[in-house]
Parts: sequence; structure tokens; C-alpha cells
Amino acid sequence: GIQVEQSPPDLILQEGANSTLRCNFSDSVNNLQWFHQNPWGQLINLFYIPSGTKQNGRLSATTVATERYSLLYISSSQTTDSGVYFCAVNNNAGNMLTFGGGTRLMVKP
Amino acid sequence: SQTIHQWPATLVQPVGSPLSLECTVEGTSNPNLYWYRQAAGRGLQLLFYSVGIGQISSEVPQNLSASRPQDRQFILSSKKLLLSDSGFYLCAWSEKRGSTGELFFGEGSRLTVL
Repeated sequence: GIQVEQSPPDLILQEGANSTLRCNFSDSVNNLQWFHQNPWGQLINLFYIPSGTKQNGRLSATTVATERYSLLYISSSQTTDSGVYFCAVNNNAGNMLTFGGGTRLMVKP
Repeated sequence: SQTIHQWPATLVQPVGSPLSLECTVEGTSNPNLYWYRQAAGRGLQLLFYSVGIGQISSEVPQNLSASRPQDRQFILSSKKLLLSDSGFYLCAWSEKRGSTGELFFGEGSRLTVL
């Protein structure tokens, strides 16, 4: 099956700093999503982005499908950005997402 | 708008006891439904998915089972829990027709088996 790798596995930032999270995948995809898992465990949809670039406030994402990677940018980080960020992809009609291992982000005040 | 709910939010059960986690989706019809598990750490593993009533596919052999008695209801069960069943269980749904495949998750159910 498709492999999904995220980097870095852990990241500590000072409030106000910017960061880039990376997701590499091993095959072509027809769905790529970024999620934020908050401290209570809930998975929040950030972006549906199988290709191209999208922005939502301080967050933006870019997927380069031909090179099989996606990037999530967080600008002017806040303590509420802390949590685990997951990338998930699928490449079949069953819509079953395969998740990466996540990036655990801690933003310090 | 569509919503998804699962319960209970937290559960502490003894080894050998039964389990039932329930998930319902509102505001859509004939969705694809999924159960994921997140063990201590971070990875999410797909356990079951369903494309319709009574249609269940299992991704991994295990002590758990799933059922879909109604269009928008998905239940995760066990007859006898094991210590290794502890974890965070997440239900999810996606549209079927004309779908982008975008997945939406419930709030999660944290199970501790003692």
C-alpha cells in the first residue's frame, strides 16, 4: 500500500515563529488532507489539498503531486497551534485514507 | 450541515468485558463510514469501513467487530476485551457520490482496559 512519511516527528517553537511541516507519499494520490489533533484528541480538518496551494488565515498548504509531497506552513505560531498534525492520503476509489505518523508541535509562550 | 457524533467519550472496562461504541452521522445519506484506532503514540490505523447497511470490511484481524444496522449508524463491538484493545477510537464519514473522498471525524472515544 501507499506509504506516508511526515517530518519532523517533533517540533518545538517559540510563540510567533514560523514553521514548515512536510509530508512525503510513495504513490500518486487523489486525496490528501491535513488534520490538527488538539489536546483533547479531536481531529480537525485543516485542508483538503490533492494538488495546488490553499490558505486559511495563518495556515497554508501546498501539494506538489508530481513530486509526491505536501507542505503545511504555520506562520506567527500561537500556543493554541500545539498538538499533532497529520497528513493523510488515498489513491483508490474506496476513499480509505492512509495516515502519516504525525508531527507533534509544541508552541511555547 | 453534516455532523458526526460518537459515544461514550471515555470508557474504563475490565479485561473480558464486552464493548459497544456507537457513532451516528446527521445531515447526509448513504455515507461511507469508518472506525480508526489510535494507540498510545500517534499513528491512526483503519479498523473497519462500510459502504452501506450491513456491509462491513475489516482491514486488520483483531478482537473487535463492527456493524451498521442503519444507514447513518456505525457500531464497534467486542465480546471480550483484551488489554491491547486500549486506545483512542475515532469514527469518520465521507460522502460517496461525486465525492472528493474528504474525511470527517467524530470526537473520539477513549477506552482503557484494566
